[in-house]
Amino acid sequence: QQQVRQSPQSLTVWEGETAILNCSYEDSTFNYFPWYQQFPGEGPALLISIRSVSDKKEDGRFTIFFNKREKKLSLHITDSQPGDSATYFCAASGSNYQLIWGSGTKLIIKP
Amino acid sequence: DPKIIQKPKYLVAVTGSEKILICEQYLGHNAMYWYRQSAKKPLEFMFSYSYQKLMDNQTASSRFQPQSSKKNHLDLQITALKPDDSATYFCASSQEGWGEDTQYFGPGTRLLVL
Repeated sequence: QQQVRQSPQSLTVWEGETAILNCSYEDSTFNYFPWYQQFPGEGPALLISIRSVSDKKEDGRFTIFFNKREKKLSLHITDSQPGDSATYFCAASGSNYQLIWGSGTKLIIKP
Repeated sequence: DPKIIQKPKYLVAVTGSEKILICEQYLGHNAMYWYRQSAKKPLEFMFSYSYQKLMDNQTASSRFQPQSSKKNHLDLQITALKPDDSATYFCASSQEGWGEDTQYFGPGTRLLVL
């Protein structure tokens, strides 16, 4: 049972465009949503996170938009750079110790 | 200096053999994890330990056994290796093991089973 879903599986955008990565979840008790970024040959690293009490979290060119009613969130990367090419994982956790991971979106930024 | 050390970086094994993947973290964390990543499954959670006790096991096979000899060590023993076990194995750690803790990942061990 896949509790956290990501789409698209892969995404290609041109440099300077905005990349939009989507994530949805099923468990209404989830209240914390981190996004991890993974470059080839490396382990994932926390990029940005949001709690369910907020509907938006911004960090430079990276913004999370959160819709609690629809159980959806998205990561927007504005002014995409080739260095942003990576795989992005959405994850979710609730009141326990588990972090549930999505299947990732592979992002390619074309110069 | 690397904060999470995984050894070896690359590992080639024959089917049916046994290998141990080493993980040490120097972040002062109390929780450690193992993940597996392959072309079939992008990032698959395997185990989590907190204060050297097993918290969660999502691995169906008993061929995978974590071993925690010290608070900052969590090794992974894999027995009766199969070609399907070929993957990159990541160790991670976090402060206490709660879902909201940031997890820090090691560089991974790339295992190839022939």
